[in-house]
Amino acid sequence: KAGVTQTPRYLIKTRGQQVTLSCSPISGHRSVSWYQQTPGQGLQFLFEYFSETQRNKGNFPGRFSGRQFSNSRSEMNVSTLELGDSALYLCASSLVGGGTLSTEAFFGQGTRLTVV
Amino acid sequence: AQSVTQPDIHITVSEGASLELRCNYSYGATPYLFWYVQSPGQGLQLLLKYFSGDTLVQGIKGFEAEFKRSQSSFNLRKPSVHWSDAAEYFCAVGAGSFQKLVFGTGTRLLVSP
Repeated sequence: KAGVTQTPRYLIKTRGQQVTLSCSPISGHRSVSWYQQTPGQGLQFLFEYFSETQRNKGNFPGRFSGRQFSNSRSEMNVSTLELGDSALYLCASSLVGGGTLSTEAFFGQGTRLTVV
Repeated sequence: AQSVTQPDIHITVSEGASLELRCNYSYGATPYLFWYVQSPGQGLQLLLKYFSGDTLVQGIKGFEAEFKRSQSSFNLRKPSVHWSDAAEYFCAVGAGSFQKLVFGTGTRLLVSP
């Protein structure tokens, strides 16, 4: 069974640009969450999508947005990039509604975004 | 608000020695608790989880953790550390749901020969 796939693995962008990151969850998983990991702030929750609806949102500015498609794949977008957006962005998928196995989040390898 | 404290930023353990990584949480209700491990440049791998029931939970790679409600702790243990265990370890609490995790700041484990 394929794991969570994030593309691309690495990105370099210039301040002011926008970027889109992609996440393909494990087959059958309907919940996708996004996290930002930085040395200064650690791992912080961005948002979670389930059945194409955002269910939870972290404390990030509106420049950070996301969406989920009918096949559960998710994208997150960051507009007007700032230097401080440089981070490892991690995606996690969960089964949801599948008993005890649904209570686990499986993480992808992340996308390393560097803003210059 | 939910929070997780990992008081040790770095820990160095000799190979073969025992390990205990500390984790304290703050959460009003019965928590969902997790330990994840991250190797450099990689994502997070779940080591073990606690939801209810037996307070001593077994995980992968020989790790275990004990939930102590009275101390709001969920410490991770391993009886004998291997060099391949060197990584960063994160404790997390499910903030109302397990799809929204609040992480501690992590503990970097170094294993000396």
